[in-house]
Amino acid sequence: DSGVTQTPKHLITATGQRVTLRCSPRSGDLSVYWYQQSLDQGLQFLIQYYNGEERAKGNILERFSAQQFPDLHSELNLSSLELGDSALYFCASSVVGSGRKETQYFGPGTRLLVL
Amino acid sequence: GESVGLHLPTLSVQEGDNSIINCAYSNSASDYFIWYKQESGKGPQFIIDIRSNMDKRQGQRVTVLLNKTVKHLSLQIAATQPGDSAVYFCAENRGNSGAGSYQLTFGKGTKLSVIP
Repeated sequence: DSGVTQTPKHLITATGQRVTLRCSPRSGDLSVYWYQQSLDQGLQFLIQYYNGEERAKGNILERFSAQQFPDLHSELNLSSLELGDSALYFCASSVVGSGRKETQYFGPGTRLLVL
Repeated sequence: GESVGLHLPTLSVQEGDNSIINCAYSNSASDYFIWYKQESGKGPQFIIDIRSNMDKRQGQRVTVLLNKTVKHLSLQIAATQPGDSAVYFCAENRGNSGAGSYQLTFGKGTKLSVIP
């Protein structure tokens, strides 16, 4: 158990809909990352938040957005869903300090199926 | 473009043998690397990491070697066990420390199968 929690574990929805994925980082971690894992693209970085502020953006679609709240949990919002958005979505967290790169610990993921 | 890639997509080893999983990277400025293990239906699990000021790092039954000259990483698993069966990913942290950004770039993964 990494200490990172994600809900829900599974999500089935229809095209055009909007969903929200939730992540709680490990205790003490200020940085949260979102990754998408699909069969054809592998694990890809979407976005990073640090203490409520966006710090880095990867190949995240404009239909996707995220935020980190004062209690440090984060939500990833996916809207106007398409079949191709079906994937595993992982949240990771890390301690960030002194400009030193640290290990990211991953949650169990949310499996999204768009029908 | 620059990427992190794995040489072998699948690897089968006999239980008790040593396993070696390889990874090439192309960004010579990369200074932090992580190996993850992912079992079916689970999230990537941290195994071991290494910074570019080191050539070798050992953990419990695992060793990571870093060859900066040829931009190559390897993960060695000693006395491989059935529980080691999983997909292994190398990841490169290309983030900008000055900007506080630390995103990981993952290789495509190697599936390790342990034969009892």
